[in-house]
Amino acid sequence: AQTVTQSQPEMSVQEAETVTLSCTYDTSENNYYLFWYKQPPSRQMILVIRQEAYKQQNATENRFSVNFQKAAKSFSLKISDSQLGDTAMYFCAFMKHELLNSGYALNFGKGTSLLVTP
Amino acid sequence: KAGVTQTPRYLIKTRGQQVTLSCSPISGHRSVSWYQQTPGQGLQFLFEYFSETQRNKGNFPGRFSGRQFSNSRSEMNVSTLELGDSALYLCASSPRDPTEAFFGQGTRLTVV
Repeated sequence: AQTVTQSQPEMSVQEAETVTLSCTYDTSENNYYLFWYKQPPSRQMILVIRQEAYKQQNATENRFSVNFQKAAKSFSLKISDSQLGDTAMYFCAFMKHELLNSGYALNFGKGTSLLVTP
Repeated sequence: KAGVTQTPRYLIKTRGQQVTLSCSPISGHRSVSWYQQTPGQGLQFLFEYFSETQRNKGNFPGRFSGRQFSNSRSEMNVSTLELGDSALYLCASSPRDPTEAFFGQGTRLTVV
């Protein structure tokens, strides 16, 4: 079974600063996907960024980027130029590649609560 | 394009009752999955449906069941409700690429 660990239950950052959220995972799979989801107070989960394990290049989406270290099984999220609207719970998630066509399932970490302050 | 719609948004039920939650996916999406979110256990996968077939199931008791209709709308049912079933139930729909899951706003179920 895959486990996803987010070791930082809560974090705080000032507006315009940079913050990094940590995520480690445990798997024996060689091909898989990793995700960061954001859950604001509205509770709707929003996909922030995703990474395919076989791609060595780190994914980037505007102010969001990841540091994917496959050997270390680490997948951190960096948020640059933090904005008040980034305040939310952030979840790291894992998906096995083999499940893409046979019933996918996201395996989530416990989440990190991020507060962006003025 | 309308997003994933979950109804109802809030629900209060009594222990022992049963409940049915509904999820309407984004138009054209044929895959629907369900997750339970609680403060203690976090987000846990319940099941996934594609073209009316359950393809994957999480580690939940048989009291939790679901189905998908020909229009891809999905329902999940929980029978003999327990206090521990109180949770936010999230539904997600996906297009052909399941790595692009879109979530609804969830149904908040409270069992008293």
